[in-house]
Amino acid sequence: EAQVTQNPRYLITVTGKKLTVTCSQNMNHEYMSWYRQDPGLGLRQIYYSMNVEATDKGDVPEGYKVSRKEKRNFPLILESPSPNQTSLYFCASSLGYYNSPLHFGNGTRLTVT
Amino acid sequence: GDSVTQMEGPVTLSEEAFLTINCTYTATGYPSLFWYVQYPGEGLQLLLKATKADDKGSNKGFEATYRKETTSFHLEKGSVQVSDSAVYFCALSERATSGTYKYIFGTGTRLKVLA
Repeated sequence: EAQVTQNPRYLITVTGKKLTVTCSQNMNHEYMSWYRQDPGLGLRQIYYSMNVEATDKGDVPEGYKVSRKEKRNFPLILESPSPNQTSLYFCASSLGYYNSPLHFGNGTRLTVT
Repeated sequence: GDSVTQMEGPVTLSEEAFLTINCTYTATGYPSLFWYVQYPGEGLQLLLKATKADDKGSNKGFEATYRKETTSFHLEKGSVQVSDSAVYFCALSERATSGTYKYIFGTGTRLKVLA
């Protein structure tokens, strides 16, 4: 089954404790991206990647890191999480053409205390 | 910059009522337009798309027409069901001059359908 898999689904952590949210897709997609969803703000892009070893900042990259060493994986790293990073995070992928739709994972709800 | 504006919710309808969710966009070029649906506890799923002016996207009884003259992509359904209760997102994607591209989402409209 074609899918984008994120782990974990729920994560509660404390300020400053490094964490990684994993994302993997099995569709051989070129493009991958991370979003955060906050009430009243919709989806905001954190980082995206057009291909392996090619990543770029989205609209809200501060406090986040990503890497794309393999085509299928695109982990999101929070080196020193803060409470304002409490949010619902989504990974998404697409074929790599601007008119290709995004395929989303089921989300990771992160709480930073 | 590019943007997507959609009507604020929540929208509450009775079963079998007609649905319209308004979406307008601003873009410098010729974007592709999408509607996504998000059911509780899940990620967004593509509902329909249109890639050029006057295209009509349709799926599961929903439809939307790409109107370049009014920069709009309103979502409609003739008869909603309780199972249509979800959050609906309008989005666009456009190629940048650098060769990259970006997806921009509206803030979402929550639909609640009552039996």
